[in-house]
Amino acid sequence: GESVGLHLPTLSVQEGDNSIINCAYSNSASDYFIWYKQESGKGPQFIIDIRSNMDKRQGQRVTVLLNKTVKHLSLQIAATQPGDSAVYFCADFAGGTSYGKLTFGQGTILTVHP
Amino acid sequence: EAQVTQNPRYLITVTGKKLTVTCSQNMNHEYMSWYRQDPGLGLRQIYYSMNVEVTDKGDVPEGYKVSRKEKRNFPLILESPSPNQTSLYFCASSSPSDRLNYGYTFGSGTRLTVV
Repeated sequence: GESVGLHLPTLSVQEGDNSIINCAYSNSASDYFIWYKQESGKGPQFIIDIRSNMDKRQGQRVTVLLNKTVKHLSLQIAATQPGDSAVYFCADFAGGTSYGKLTFGQGTILTVHP
Repeated sequence: EAQVTQNPRYLITVTGKKLTVTCSQNMNHEYMSWYRQDPGLGLRQIYYSMNVEVTDKGDVPEGYKVSRKEKRNFPLILESPSPNQTSLYFCASSSPSDRLNYGYTFGSGTRLTVV
């Protein structure tokens, strides 16, 4: 039969709205988490990171929240702009070292409408 | 400019013809890694290297080889490419001493098609 490809979660917002992108991780030993942004035709770019001893970290227009109890991360983008349209990945390190393996989530497609 | 450079950006080849994708970084990073990105599967690690002459398998190493003879270079070798290796490949580097950016720096990608 015909195979069906997996579809990434999508989020569509209007320019100026706040966006929230969610991510679940599975490894309880993960102690460092990163959000990446990938624009079409480019490699992933670092947005913000957070260590497991923190619940929240803020950057410029972005905030990452970490809930270790339910192994959940979220990325909040304030006043979303068309230039924020991209695929967003969460990634986690396990083992307490930046040399550890970086495991990526599947990604979320964010589309910002002017 | 600090960067990871991959070449080529695009490559179409035939099954069984050996190829090498080069990766070079100018940040003196110890750690380098190769990922492949496929629709719906995200980025999966192929191989990584913690320093010169130290390499290890990632999640999907079958059909690939790497070498790390110099700190700045980490080529990905496909000895006998097959169509299931058609993918978008990324090289990345990192160093724990880079306090401003503790994450990975990625190259721009190599889109490989094996026919």
